[in-house]
Amino acid sequence: GAVVSQHPSRVICKSGTSVKIECRSLDFQATTMFWYRQFPKQSLMLMATSNEGSKATYEQGVEKDKFLINHASLTLSTLTVTSAHPEDSSFYICSAPRDRDWGSPLHFGNGTRLTVT
Amino acid sequence: QKEVEQNSGPLSVPEGAIASLNCTYSDRVSQSFFWYRQYSGKSPELIMSIYSNGDKEDGRFTAQLNKASQYVSLLIRDSQPSDSATYLCAVKPGNTGKLIFGQGTTLQVKP
Repeated sequence: GAVVSQHPSRVICKSGTSVKIECRSLDFQATTMFWYRQFPKQSLMLMATSNEGSKATYEQGVEKDKFLINHASLTLSTLTVTSAHPEDSSFYICSAPRDRDWGSPLHFGNGTRLTVT
Repeated sequence: QKEVEQNSGPLSVPEGAIASLNCTYSDRVSQSFFWYRQYSGKSPELIMSIYSNGDKEDGRFTAQLNKASQYVSLLIRDSQPSDSATYLCAVKPGNTGKLIFGQGTTLQVKP
């Protein structure tokens, strides 16, 4: 069964508004979660690493003031897309390692399809 | 040079054939390698992980790793139409915990 839950699965918003996406680890604690973005027919691009109890680490080129990440607890990370614009329309996917071993694979949420009109 | 490279395809094979998917990576210190399958509009699902040189088999899937050549591959035996998807190669560079993905190879299995 699913080990990472992501909500909502689909959202349509108007340009200039903000959208919050939630990512939960279901039966394990995740001190670290990873947020990816995927544009049509492209691969997954890592946006940021969410760290419980500390600031997120953003990849080069990702605006931290636009994509706000809050890792509120050991089972919840949220990504807020602020002042969304049509170019932010994408498939956003969170992931977490089930085990603390750095070599363990990432398990992905079902993703959030964001459409900004 | 991209960190993880795959041929985007599409790779087309007849049902029952062996599909061979290839991936190269640039970071020599990478220790963990993964293959994910992604259906259109869905999130990736883990198929295989491999950490040491050689072959690792799981059902119809075999992952192969050659760290000297910085090469990892996935073989799918007895390919089925339901295997038609995009296959993503992913590498964990060093001990960062994050995954770097290749661009994916689209596989089409024709009945």
